Amino acid sequence: NAGVTQTPKFQVLKTGQSMTLQCAQDMNHNSMYWYRQDPGMGLRLIYYSASEGTTDKGEVPNGYNVSRLNKREFSLRLESAAPSQTSVYFCASSESGLNTEAFFGQGTRLTVV
Amino acid sequence: KQEVTQIPAALSVPEGENLVLNCSFTDSAIYNLQWFRQDPGKGLTSLLLIQSSQREQTSGRLNASLDKSSGRSTLYIAASQPGDSATYLCAVLRVSWGKFQFGAGTQVVVTP
Repeated sequence: NAGVTQTPKFQVLKTGQSMTLQCAQDMNHNSMYWYRQDPGMGLRLIYYSASEGTTDKGEVPNGYNVSRLNKREFSLRLESAAPSQTSVYFCASSESGLNTEAFFGQGTRLTVV
Repeated sequence: KQEVTQIPAALSVPEGENLVLNCSFTDSAIYNLQWFRQDPGKGLTSLLLIQSSQREQTSGRLNASLDKSSGRSTLYIAASQPGDSATYLCAVLRVSWGKFQFGAGTQVVVTP
């Protein structure tokens, strides 16, 4: 039971570099999410995808882009990394509908220097 | 805008004591509320999901209550153990927004 799988687990980038964080789920969920977690601030939603082919901005979308490649995969791209994007990034998925439970990946710890 | 607050931010108790963790939210129009556990450097593990029509949910030593009218949920952990040391987060799924919104968490330390 893999659940939600994120790659890579750790990454160090230089300011201005780009990278893509990968996420895949094997639970046949419609909804997928990208969150970032910073000390004392909880998890904040970056982008959301309600279904394959649709994406929506969350609370903190600036500096990020996403792609819902298919039902399983939802990637997050940093086009030009900035030190303010140093964070731990979590991907999650859930069924759509009213009484839905969220499942999380193990996170990607990103440092931008 | 929905605010989700968890107080206290940190808590230390001796082994065997019961833990009481609080979560409050300003918008009572929610679909459900979910409690998670997070160990250092790890992802989030779902503990309990309370649907909006429910008042409580139980799993082993864990019991979570929900009072939508007052905008509160409480997670009780009975007879705490050192293995319960972790950060506990609550998240609400709002009717108006459709996505999960998180509190900042309560960091719990259970001392032997």
